[in-house]
Amino acid sequence: GDSVTQMEGPVTLSEEAFLTINCTYTATGYPSLFWYVQYPGEGLQLLLKATKADDKGSNKGFEATYRKETTSFHLEKGSVQVSDSAVYFCALTLRGGGKLIFGQGTELSVKP
Amino acid sequence: NAGVMQNPRHLVRRRGQEARLRCSPMKGHSHVYWYRQLPEEGLKFMVYLQKENIIDESGMPKERFSAEFPKEGPSILRIQQVVRGDSAAYFCASSQQGGFGNQPQHFGDGTRLSIL
Repeated sequence: GDSVTQMEGPVTLSEEAFLTINCTYTATGYPSLFWYVQYPGEGLQLLLKATKADDKGSNKGFEATYRKETTSFHLEKGSVQVSDSAVYFCALTLRGGGKLIFGQGTELSVKP
Repeated sequence: NAGVMQNPRHLVRRRGQEARLRCSPMKGHSHVYWYRQLPEEGLKFMVYLQKENIIDESGMPKERFSAEFPKEGPSILRIQQVVRGDSAAYFCASSQQGGFGNQPQHFGDGTRLSIL
């Protein structure tokens, strides 16, 4: 079935380090792909999205490129800040719309 | 420009009671989704509704759980005869259309349900 797999956390980085969180998916058809971020005690916020192959989503210094050939949507940021500490979720939705299918989430902790 | 509003933020129930969770979608959104987040886990889809219709309830437990999205008023997720395993964060999301592509889902801050 359709699924999303993320690298396991927690990931601990120093401020200004480079971030990569791996995400791969299995889906029938051509899904839309999303990264959501969840800060403690809050709901999920949409971070970025991509709707077709080779699209690059970007927001707040984060980027991810929709790679159809490797079925991946890895999240990257060149220089993380303490305020980026949160849980990051990769997700997909299928072309017919409807439910989001989430990865298990990756906790990021950035130390000063 | 209010976002998705969920209430209550925290709900405590004793085993066997009923829990009612409410969700008002963003203005202009007619599609509502409910997700459950168990401790240390990701979000799992429960149900997808449009006004007065259930579109997909494939993630909803067969017993004790029900959802509605009436013509007027918020969407309601109801859990009857709650058990300890129902303790979780329940999130509502809404979208303009089916949530695909350029109409992504927007989430509320969730209801944390605790069962004593």
